[in-house]
Amino acid sequence: DTEVTQTPKHLVMGMTNKKSLKCEQHMGHRAMYWYKQKAKKPPELMFVYSYEKLSINESVPSRFSPECPNSSLLNLHLHALQPEDSALYLCASSQGDGTAYSPLHFGNGTRLTVT
Amino acid sequence: AQSVTQPDIHITVSEGASLELRCNYSYGATPYLFWYVQSPGQGLQLLLKYFSGDTLVQGIKGFEAEFKRSQSSFNLRKPSVHWSDAAEYFCAVGITGGFKTIFGAGTRLFVKA
Repeated sequence: DTEVTQTPKHLVMGMTNKKSLKCEQHMGHRAMYWYKQKAKKPPELMFVYSYEKLSINESVPSRFSPECPNSSLLNLHLHALQPEDSALYLCASSQGDGTAYSPLHFGNGTRLTVT
Repeated sequence: AQSVTQPDIHITVSEGASLELRCNYSYGATPYLFWYVQSPGQGLQLLLKYFSGDTLVQGIKGFEAEFKRSQSSFNLRKPSVHWSDAAEYFCAVGITGGFKTIFGAGTRLFVKA
């Protein structure tokens, strides 16, 4: 069983819709991440929150908007997406001192399809 | 430049046979190395990690990996593969002082009966 919970598991949305992906962890980790994974590719980093502050934004388009309401929750707000944004979106967490020392704990992802 | 190379896109082994997945890294400082596994429709799960000390590290599910600094390698091994090991395997290096992880392209493992 994964200790990082993501909802929903699947999401189909039109290009004009607004939706949100949610992620929750209760391991006391202070760093939380959003990754995007296309088929047969490794995960690509999108955002990192450390101690509830945005630490990294990997030049992600503004149609993706992250939010970290508290140390256990991470959201990704989606608006006006394009079909090429269809992918598996993975949430991960780690201890707050950076991944060099702390492995990533991943959720099972949200499979997003943009029509 | 920092990079992780997994030379094999996919590997097929028979159930019960031994397995070795290759990983080479390029990183200027002391590498912090990981192997993750991803089953279909799942997220990534940590198999094992190497930070320092003994160069042979043991992980979950009977996997082990050996760090060889002279060859810049961190190969993953398992003495006897089970059908449930069929999955995608990612080698990764953690970047010191930050939150970035460099992943290799992955190796897809197929297990035949």
